[in-house]
Amino acid sequence: DAGVTQSPTHLIKTRGQQVTLRCSPISGHKSVSWYQQVLGQGPQFIFQYYEKEERGRGNFPDRFSARQFPNYSSELNVNALLLGDSALYLCASSPGEGLGSRNEQFFGPGTRLTVL
Amino acid sequence: DQQVKQNSPSLSVQEGRISILNCDYTNSMFDYFLWYKKYPAEGPTFLISISSIKDKNEDGRFTVFLNKSAKHLSLHIVPSQPGDSAVYFCAASEDPDDSWGKLQFGAGTQVVVTP
Repeated sequence: DAGVTQSPTHLIKTRGQQVTLRCSPISGHKSVSWYQQVLGQGPQFIFQYYEKEERGRGNFPDRFSARQFPNYSSELNVNALLLGDSALYLCASSPGEGLGSRNEQFFGPGTRLTVL
Repeated sequence: DQQVKQNSPSLSVQEGRISILNCDYTNSMFDYFLWYKKYPAEGPTFLISISSIKDKNEDGRFTVFLNKSAKHLSLHIVPSQPGDSAVYFCAASEDPDDSWGKLQFGAGTQVVVTP
């Protein structure tokens, strides 16, 4: 079975540009979450989507947006890129919405975004 | 404001010995705690979790202990193996049924298991 996939693997952008990151969850998983991991820190929650609806949002500016498609894949968009947006962006999927040992989160390998 | 803290950025342990990773939290509303392991170029992998109604949870070589009064949890790995060398993240959630995605992560502890 394929795990969570993310594309692209690496990305280099300049300040002010816009970027779109993509995530395909594990087949059958309906929930997708996005995290930002800055070097030397733990992942920080950005968004959660469940059944194509936003169910949670972290403390990120409106430059960050996301959506989930009918096939449960998801895109994260970041506008007006800043140098501080340079990070590893992780996508995680799970079967359902809540936590628990039967609703384990599976993370993708991440997209490494560098803003110059 | 860092609500989950892992104060040891690194830990070196001999193969076969016990690894003890510590995690402290400040938010008394946290109700569910998890540990993740991360290898380079891979996403974090779920290891073990514990609900606030328990003080201990075991899964094979991994045991998590929770001390709610001290707002402290720890992960014990016994015996440590070379494949355990990775970064370990502690994470917490306020309401596991409602805030699935809102995990708060610590900064991680790099574990190196030496022969």
